[in-house]
Amino acid sequence: DGGITQSPKYLFRKEGQNVTLSCEQNLNHDAMYWYRQDPGQGLRLIYYSQIVNDFQKGDIAEGYSVSREKKESFPLTVTSAQKNPTAFYLCATLPDRGEKLFFGSGTQLSVL
Amino acid sequence: AQSVSQHNHHVILSEAASLELGCNYSYGGTVNLFWYVQYPGQHLQLLLKYFSGDPLVKGIKGFEAEFIKSKFSFNLRKPSVQWSDTAEYFCAVNNLGTPLVFGKGTRLSVIA
Repeated sequence: DGGITQSPKYLFRKEGQNVTLSCEQNLNHDAMYWYRQDPGQGLRLIYYSQIVNDFQKGDIAEGYSVSREKKESFPLTVTSAQKNPTAFYLCATLPDRGEKLFFGSGTQLSVL
Repeated sequence: AQSVSQHNHHVILSEAASLELGCNYSYGGTVNLFWYVQYPGQHLQLLLKYFSGDPLVKGIKGFEAEFIKSKFSFNLRKPSVQWSDTAEYFCAVNNLGTPLVFGKGTRLSVIA
């Protein structure tokens, strides 16, 4: 099955803890994105990567980090510096022609 | 940087009423325009998109949108809503080669 796999579906973070959200795709898309969805805020861009070993900050990158060592994978780490991490996190990919984003099923992160 | 405004946070309509949701973007040039929908408990789905050509775009489920370049607008319309249209609607825009920027969303509630 082709698609984007985000894991875990639900994640709980303790104070001061770093957590990593996984995003894997087998669509062979170059561009990958991380968005954060909060009620009433829409989707806000955290980081994006257009090719392997390269990524750029989005509008709300503070407190987050990413890596892109493989085309298939774009993990997002929510660091302890992110003071308000509770949100729904969506990973997305874009094919080369850029017609539409493909979304994963998301990870709900909550703080204990 | 590109920004997207959706004027209505929450719209309540009776079944069979007509719908128009506003969307304006800030930065011109060559733009790609999208409307996404998120039904309760489901993932984002693409309703329609505009890249070029006829500024009146038809999408799925009877939705359409009109691109008015001079007004930087891409309003979503449907002549007669159904209860099943209850969802959150997101307008999104990107310029060539840049990530998609989303509006904050409009929640539509359709009542019988």
